[in-house]
Amino acid sequence: QVQLQQSGPGLVKPSETLSLTCAVSGYSISSGYYWGWIRQPPGKGLEWIGTIYHDGSTYYNPSLKSRLIISVDKSKNQFSLRLSSVTAADTAVYYCARESLISGEPSICYFDNWGRGTLVNVAS
Amino acid sequence: SSELTQDPAVSVALGQRVRITCQGDSLRSYYASWYQQKPGQAPVVVIYGQYQRPSGIPDRFSGSGSGNTASLTITGTQAEDEADYYCHSRDSGGNHVVFGGGTKLTVL
Repeated sequence: QVQLQQSGPGLVKPSETLSLTCAVSGYSISSGYYWGWIRQPPGKGLEWIGTIYHDGSTYYNPSLKSRLIISVDKSKNQFSLRLSSVTAADTAVYYCARESLISGEPSICYFDNWGRGTLVNVAS
Repeated sequence: SSELTQDPAVSVALGQRVRITCQGDSLRSYYASWYQQKPGQAPVVVIYGQYQRPSGIPDRFSGSGSGNTASLTITGTQAEDEADYYCHSRDSGGNHVVFGGGTKLTVL
């Protein structure tokens, strides 16, 4: 059974860097799949932050790209998010999730496993 | 295009059928998947590949679609189905994930 365990601070000061880690158990990140970060501001919808492929390729939301780094540590079977220069607008519940992507006509994509979410408040 | 459009809110009487729709050009290249999210919980996939249902999801949930529109149908809606529902695909280029704005389902 695949499990995603999130860790990281729940409070970050404005202008500082938000860092979260997602430890994966029950599956080796090196074996495949896409590994993503999604956030949800209070009372709002889901927003995709970015994704890392098992080979280390990264794909970022253009609106966050200049502040964002997603990386993978295969030795620890975990992937991480770093979002710099945060403001109150970055306050949200942050989720990590595994995405399946199956090529076809049309292709199939879906997030089949999610972390429980981490509420991150940006406040002084 | 990288947008998916959903109606913000839909209501349904207990036991009746309801359809939630999602529109976007990317749905011509990627089948929609659908997520149910209850307050304080992470989203759960209820339909993927437009009509496939993961194990453990009740068969009252079904998916369909054509062209640039995907639909999630709940037949015989139960009180526990009251939740927010999101559609998901990728943009036409395939590198970016896209979510719909979400539909709040109220069961009357």
